[in-house]
Amino acid sequence: KAGVTQTPRYLIKTRGQQVTLSCSPISGHRSVSWYQQTPGQGLQFLFEYFSETQRNKGNFPGRFSGRQFSNSRSEMNVSTLELGDSALYLCASSLPLTSGSTDTQYFGPGTRLTVL
Amino acid sequence: GESVGLHLPTLSVQEGDNSIINCAYSNSASDYFIWYKQESGKGPQFIIDIRSNMDKRQGQRVTVLLNKTVKHLSLQIAATQPGDSAVYFCAENSGGSNYKLTFGKGTLLTVNP
Repeated sequence: KAGVTQTPRYLIKTRGQQVTLSCSPISGHRSVSWYQQTPGQGLQFLFEYFSETQRNKGNFPGRFSGRQFSNSRSEMNVSTLELGDSALYLCASSLPLTSGSTDTQYFGPGTRLTVL
Repeated sequence: GESVGLHLPTLSVQEGDNSIINCAYSNSASDYFIWYKQESGKGPQFIIDIRSNMDKRQGQRVTVLLNKTVKHLSLQIAATQPGDSAVYFCAENSGGSNYKLTFGKGTLLTVNP
């Protein structure tokens, strides 16, 4: 079974631009979470989507947004990019807790965003 | 200005030795804990998890211990191999959801051949 895939793997943008990152979860997984990883702050939770609805949200400004499609694929968008948004953006998918399932999150390789 | 990175604890062991990586978690209400391994240039890889109704869980070459009294989690790796070299993170569901994890700052494990 294919793992979580994220595109693009690397991205360079300039301040003020916006960016959209994509995540395809493991087949059958319905929950997608996004995390930001930086050397200064470590791994921080952004938001989580399930059945096209945002269920959980972290402490990030409104410039960070996301959505999930009916096939569980998810995108996150960052508007008005700042230098501090340079980070590795990780997507994780999981199967919601139902009978016989597990809520373990499995991560993709991430998208490395550099803001100049 | 110059950014200041997290100071990562480091652990250096000889190949074949056992490794113990420790983690102090933050929220006494957390009831689900996970260990992840992250190699350079890759996303975190799930190793093992444990729920708060247990104090020990074993996997293949790994054991996780949970001490809720002192909010402490540890990962034991038996017969450590060079391929185990990576940053290890503990995570907890401190936000009340298993899909919203709070991560520790990580420990860099280096295995010397």
